[in-house]
Amino acid sequence: DTEVTQTPKHLVMGMTNKKSLKCEQHMGHRAMYWYKQKAKKPPELMFVYSYEKLSINESVPSRFSPECPNSSLLNLHLHALQPEDSALYLCASSQLAGVRTGELFFGEGSRLTVL
Amino acid sequence: GNSVTQMEGPVTLSEEAFLTINCTYTATGYPSLFWYVQYPGEGLQLLLKATKADDKGSNKGFEATYRKETTSFHLEKGSVQVSDSAVYFCALRSGTASKLTFGTGTRLQVTL
Repeated sequence: DTEVTQTPKHLVMGMTNKKSLKCEQHMGHRAMYWYKQKAKKPPELMFVYSYEKLSINESVPSRFSPECPNSSLLNLHLHALQPEDSALYLCASSQLAGVRTGELFFGEGSRLTVL
Repeated sequence: GNSVTQMEGPVTLSEEAFLTINCTYTATGYPSLFWYVQYPGEGLQLLLKATKADDKGSNKGFEATYRKETTSFHLEKGSVQVSDSAVYFCALRSGTASKLTFGTGTRLQVTL
């Protein structure tokens, strides 16, 4: 099983809503990542978790709150978002963080629209 | 720091044409190099990778060779198909944190 599963695939929310994006992998990977991708742009790293601990936060606004409840699950909690936060949010995993030879496995993404 | 430069797209080819997408990089330390592909409305899939100089990565008819002397990792395919239409991202991992650094992506459109 080489899958990273993300839910929901599409999410529309207002600026006052609270919602969550979920990501799951069963490859035994110990590193998980959140990326944000705007249209016609490459993915931008937001957060890295290594062994369920947050290891990298790329100065992401606090309205995005990541959580890693266990080694298979990664959540991104969303609150008081702005319309410019509308994007494709990609989850990824790799065997370990900080290993240059390891590839990242990406999910299909959650397409978020903020009204 | 690390950076990846890809040729501007879109690249439009007829089916069965030869494909080259150029990729050059700048890295601190000794990077690993990757090509990812993104089909419309989907996430990224690893296409191929190379982890040391002169390695050739290959998959589904695509190839790329890690050239340290020219800091390049150009993607090639001998005969493209309509189903290859997608956005292709060159990327590298290097350094202590080994973050994945992407190029800007090259859109490929293959027509009949």
